[in-house]
Parts: sequence; structure tokens; C-alpha cells
Amino acid sequence: DVKVTQSSRYLVKRTGEKVFLECVQDMDHENMFWYRQDPGLGLRLIYFSYDVKMKEKGDIPEGYSVSREKKERFSLILESASTNQTSMYLCASSLQGMGYTFGSGTRLTVV
Amino acid sequence: SQKIEQNSEALNIQEGKTATLTCNYTNYSPAYLQWYRQDPGRGPVFLLLIRENEKEKRKERLKVTFDTTLKQSLFHITASQPADSATYLCALDIGGGGADGLTFGKGTHLIIQP
Repeated sequence: DVKVTQSSRYLVKRTGEKVFLECVQDMDHENMFWYRQDPGLGLRLIYFSYDVKMKEKGDIPEGYSVSREKKERFSLILESASTNQTSMYLCASSLQGMGYTFGSGTRLTVV
Repeated sequence: SQKIEQNSEALNIQEGKTATLTCNYTNYSPAYLQWYRQDPGRGPVFLLLIRENEKEKRKERLKVTFDTTLKQSLFHITASQPADSATYLCALDIGGGGADGLTFGKGTHLIIQP
């Protein structure tokens, strides 16, 4: 089975800090995605990538950036964390046109 | 306006009965539609994918239908069990052709009562 591993299960960061959320998949999927999930708002797409060094903005990219230097790794960066970025962050990977495999999520709290 | 609509209220079903969940969408022509299960505090788990040229798909006790004219998908769990209790999400490739990532509905919380 494909495994998507997110580096941290829980994170607490201070306002203004630069935050890195790491995601690694082990099945050579070309597509990787970052979502955030909030009560009442559901899953919202932040950024995605279809290949190494490629990135595309999703629905809510403001305040975030991403990096994909290797096929298996997709990093989400909060340049200057703010309290409204407190959320559950979910990484996923897939083959083109196939179901997504999600990681277990990182619950980020910005104080 | 909401792109994908799922019943936001919890759905209570008695064990052994068939649970039917609805996903409606507007103004899009997705190449495919997917259903996921999500348990509290966990990431969604992929269940089924149905393409625009398919009417129905089955996997064990699960069945999905896809009506592109009505812009609706129905998700059925037959012989439901308490272990089926979870939130079920539908997701669309609203850009068509798989180019823009999936857009998810907010999910329906299903409760199977013994």
C-alpha cells in the first residue's frame, strides 16, 4: 500500500514564525497535494504539484508556499505563521486520474 | 455559492439497513467523482472512483451511482454495520480531465446504530 507520511502529528508555533510541514510518499506518485481542513469549511486545496519543481496554486494559496525538489517529498511552508492558519493540514498523493492517498494529518496551532 | 452539496446533517441508520448518501454539484462537468471515508482526527481514505461514462460502480458492500444529467452521485452502503459510522466525503475533479486537484464536499456524518 502507498504510504504518505507527514512529519509531525501535532505542532505548536508562535505568530510570525516560519513553519515547514513535510510530506513524503513512497510509491512514485507524480501528483502531490496540500489541503487544510477546518470545521464547517471542509477540505480546501492550498497547493498541488504534478512533477518535481512544479507547483500550482489551489483555492487558498495566500500565506503559503511549497517546495518539491524530489518526487517523493512535498513541503508546505508558512512564511510567517498567523493565528488564522491554525488548522489540520493534510497531504495527499496520487497517480493521474486516480484516488488520493492521504497522510494522517498535522494539527497545527499558531499562538 | 457551494460547489458541491452533501447533506450536512448527520444520517442515522439502523444496523443492517442500507445507508444512502447524496452528493449534488452544479455548473461543472467533472471527468470523475470520488468518495472517501474519514474518521475523527484522521486523513480521508479513498473508497471508490466513478468516471463520467460510468453509471454505477460496486465494491463489496458499497455502490456508487453517477448521473451527469442530474449532476448527482448516490453512495450506498448495504447491510450497514456500526463500524461504518464515519464522515463520508464526495470529491470532484471540477476542472475536468484531472488537471486541477479535487474539490471536496463538506461531508455527511453517518451513524449506524446497533
